[in-house]
Parts: sequence; structure tokens; C-alpha cells
Amino acid sequence: EIVLTQSPGTLSLSPGERATLSCRASQSVSSSYLAWYQQKPGQAPRLLIYTSSTRATGIPDRFSGSGSGTDFTLTISRLEPEDFAVYYCQHYGSLSWTFGQGTKVEIK
Amino acid sequence: QVQLQESGPGLVKPSQTLSLTCTVSGGSISSGGYYLSWIRQHPGEGLEWIGYIYYSGSTNYNPSLKNRVTISVDTSKNQVSLKVNSVTAADTAVYYCASSPAANYWFFDLWGRGSLVTVSS
Repeated sequence: EIVLTQSPGTLSLSPGERATLSCRASQSVSSSYLAWYQQKPGQAPRLLIYTSSTRATGIPDRFSGSGSGTDFTLTISRLEPEDFAVYYCQHYGSLSWTFGQGTKVEIK
Repeated sequence: QVQLQESGPGLVKPSQTLSLTCTVSGGSISSGGYYLSWIRQHPGEGLEWIGYIYYSGSTNYNPSLKNRVTISVDTSKNQVSLKVNSVTAADTAVYYCASSPAANYWFFDLWGRGSLVTVSS
């Protein structure tokens, strides 16, 4: 079973700053099967990025994903007030889906 | 516009069975256009995939829950159901229904709003 470890646990930044979130897999995975989600309090998660770098419909281009092998990154180029939330990475393999534990992006 | 809506009791007693339904509107499960999964989130914690079902009835479950979980589909009602047996307080969570497009089933592009289930006597 592949384990996804996200870091840092919490990221304290100011609006306008750049956010870099990490997702590390316990073994090499296909970048095709790596996705990122955003979750705000009291809401369901929302798909941001799939196949490690493709933005979902309606996602602003300040969100970008990259990576391969065991190391993947979600970057928010300039934080907007609505971007402060929890972010999860997710992997698919063999008809099973797993999530990282999440990174909270909070206002500094 | 496909939408997912979870429904079911918000309170379940320990040792009993948790039962939830996900109703699909704006689309037909029978179309085979998507996989439907159940995902839960314990209070203040991360996301845990429980299992999935396809319209054909094929399923797969998280090994950590496999012995207690059953997911079924009723295409006539356009619904998917989740049952978790022998619940304990550790099953208290928000339960989400989520869909994955059949052509790209490795991510969840649509989520229901979630249903909070509390296990307590």
C-alpha cells in the first residue's frame, strides 16, 4: 500500500505570497494518478489538479502541479484570500484510492 | 449538471449498522459514465476512501474496512448505498459520496455535500 506524506502540516503565509506544498509517496507512482484537492471548512473537497499537473475545470492558473516518481508539488503562485484552506494529495492504484493527511494553508 | 446527495440517519447506536444513500441527479448511473465512491472524514482529520462501485455492481473496498462494509447500487432509483456493520465511535465521521469519470477514474471530480454520522448511545 502506498502512503502519501504531505508537508508541511501547516503553512502560514500572507496574501500575495507563494505557497509550495509537498506530497511524497512511499514508493514511485505514476504521475498520471496523482491529484490535488482543496477543502474549506464545512465544505466537501474540490478537485484542483489531476494527472499531477492538469488543472480541473474552472481552477485559476495560479494553481499548478508538478512532480514525478515519489515527489509531487502543488504551487499557488500568489495567494488570494479564498485560497486559505486545507489541501490534500491523492493517489490511485489497483482500484484503490489513498489520500495524504493534508496541508493547512493559513493566514499569517 | 450531475449532482450527488447523501442521505441517512445522523445518529447510529454502537454495534448497529450505519446506512447511507447517495442519490445521483442530472445523470444516469446506468450510463456507465462514472465510478461512485464513498469517502469519510473523521472530525478534524483527513480523508479516507471507503470503497467504490460501478453500475455493473463491481466493487472494491479499503482493506481496513472491507470486513464491515458493503456498497450496492440500485440503477432503477439512481442510487448507491453504503452499509457499515458493527459501528463504534471510531466510525463517527462525515461521509461523502464522490464520482470518478469512467474514462479517468483515478480522481474524484464531483462530490456530494457530505452527511455527518455520529455513533453514540
